[in-house]
Amino acid sequence: KAGVTQTPRYLIKTRGQQVTLSCSPISGHRSVSWYQQTPGQGLQFLFEYFSETQRNKGNFPGRFSGRQFSNSRSEMNVSTLELGDSALYLCASSLASGINTDTQYFGPGTRLTVL
Amino acid sequence: AQSVTQLDSQVPVFEEAPVELRCNYSSSVSVYLFWYVQYPNQGLQLLLKYLSGSTLVKGINGFEAEFNKSQTSFHLRKPSVHISDTAEYFCAVSENTPLVFGKGTRLSVIA
Repeated sequence: KAGVTQTPRYLIKTRGQQVTLSCSPISGHRSVSWYQQTPGQGLQFLFEYFSETQRNKGNFPGRFSGRQFSNSRSEMNVSTLELGDSALYLCASSLASGINTDTQYFGPGTRLTVL
Repeated sequence: AQSVTQLDSQVPVFEEAPVELRCNYSSSVSVYLFWYVQYPNQGLQLLLKYLSGSTLVKGINGFEAEFNKSQTSFHLRKPSVHISDTAEYFCAVSENTPLVFGKGTRLSVIA
């Protein structure tokens, strides 16, 4: 069974640009969560989608948005990039919502560098 | 609000020695606790989780953790480490909410 895949693996953008990251969950998984990982702040929850609906949202500005498609694939978008958005963005999938009890499987991440 | 403190940012240990990675959490209600491992250039992998029941939880790769409600701790242990255990380890907590992670502990196993 294929794991969680994220594309692209690496991205370099400049301040002010926007970026879209993609996540394909494990087959059959309907919940997708996104996390930002930085050396200073560690791992922080961005949002969770289940059946194309946002179920939970972390404490991030509106520049961060996401969506989920009918095949459970998810994208996240960051507009008007800032230097502080440089991070590893991790996607995780699980069978159902309720991430406290259902095991989350993480992808390898997308490394975003903002210059 | 829930939070997680991983008391050691780095832990060096010799190969075949035992190791304990410490995790304390703060929460006002029942919690679910997790340990994840991250190898270089990879995502996170679940080592073990505590949801309820026995306070001693066994995970993959020979790791185990003990939930201690009175001490609000969930320390991770392994009796004998290998070079391949070199990685970053994250403790996480959930109160039926999205996961809140600690800052991580970098375990370095020395040959």
